[in-house]
Amino acid sequence: KQEVTQIPAALSVPEGENLVLNCSFTDSAIYNLQWFRQDPGKGLTSLLLIQSSQREQTSGRLNASLDKSSGRSTLYIAASQPGDSATYLCAVFQGAQKLVFGQGTRLTINP
Amino acid sequence: DADVTQTPRNRITKTGKRIMLECSQTKGHDRMYWYRQDPGLGLRLIYYSFDVKDINKGEISDGYSVSRQAQAKFSLSLESAIPNQTALYFCATSDPRTSNEKLFFGSGTQLSVL
Repeated sequence: KQEVTQIPAALSVPEGENLVLNCSFTDSAIYNLQWFRQDPGKGLTSLLLIQSSQREQTSGRLNASLDKSSGRSTLYIAASQPGDSATYLCAVFQGAQKLVFGQGTRLTINP
Repeated sequence: DADVTQTPRNRITKTGKRIMLECSQTKGHDRMYWYRQDPGLGLRLIYYSFDVKDINKGEISDGYSVSRQAQAKFSLSLESAIPNQTALYFCATSDPRTSNEKLFFGSGTQLSVL
């Protein structure tokens, strides 16, 4: 059974710092991995999707990497801003609608 | 306007009541999903639908039913609500032809069963 783990559960850093969020999964047979952002009262927003054949994806200050063999993904946020404060979730897609989510990392950027 | 709209945003109900959560989308996607989110457990799939005539159970379908009234509408019903169905419910859509199974979520419905 696929298990997705995100560590740490919560992270607080000062504004301007670069930071890395971690996601690990137990079964490497995945089609893709997605990173989402969750804001209170606003649902989830897809940030980046990495296909299993890809190593990384970039969008603005965000860079997500995927290492299938080790079962790990990272989300790198450059020059963090208070508006980046949210909960970040990763999810792996295994086909047959099996999208398995991690529990999320709650990120706080302090001005 | 939001592409994926869920109503109501919040609902408090009593044990044993039947309730319906509604979802509509303007993205033109064929695939729609219902998830629930519980603290510490992430999101779990309740039901999904690939088109109007296709309904499938997800990981935790017991106690729930769904109806796909149209391509744009997918509703979730709790036939007889119980307290452990208190959770945040999300509707989502996807279209693998255009977005590689990228999911688009509604804002969620916070349901409390007393």
